Amino acid sequence: DSGVTQTPKHLITATGQRVTLRCSPRSGDLSVYWYQQSLDQGLQFLIHYYNGEERAKGNILERFSAQQFPDLHSELNLSSLELGDSALYFCASSVNEVTEAFFGQGTRLTVV
Amino acid sequence: KNEVEQSPQNLTAQEGEFITINCSYSVGISALHWLQQHPGGGIVSLFMLSSGKKKHGRLIATINIQEKHSSLHITASHPRDSAVYICAVKQGAQKLVFGQGTRLTINP
Repeated sequence: DSGVTQTPKHLITATGQRVTLRCSPRSGDLSVYWYQQSLDQGLQFLIHYYNGEERAKGNILERFSAQQFPDLHSELNLSSLELGDSALYFCASSVNEVTEAFFGQGTRLTVV
Repeated sequence: KNEVEQSPQNLTAQEGEFITINCSYSVGISALHWLQQHPGGGIVSLFMLSSGKKKHGRLIATINIQEKHSSLHITASHPRDSAVYICAVKQGAQKLVFGQGTRLTINP
């Protein structure tokens, strides 16, 4: 157990819908990272937050947004869902930006 | 060309064999990670290294910064080592760039 908790584990939804994925980082970790793993693209960096502030954006679509709350948990919001958004979404956390990151178990999103 | 290339893509071996997975990268990095992903999908961080060599149990990771190359070795491999092994490089402070992974199967 990495100490990073992601909910839900599985999510099935229809195209056009909006979902929210949640991540609770390890106790004491200020950095939260979101990654997407699809079959054809592999793992891709989406976005990074540090202590509530957005620090870096990767290949994140405009339909996607995220935030990190004062209690340091983070949410990834995916809207106007398309079939191609079906993927595993991982959250990782670390103490700061240079220390090792630990991954959650992922949320498997299926868009039908 | 991907910024992070792993080889081989697939590897099948017999229990007890010595395993080597290679990772080459073409960008400047602050650190390199080796990750393990089991069939259920969960990702476990095995190593983070920026120079030299690290060992944890039967796993050894090495990195050569000048040659931009890292290797992950597994000694006395076991079927429970079967997983996808992913190399990822850290660019700057924020971003991880991932290799495509090496699917390892260890047969009893």
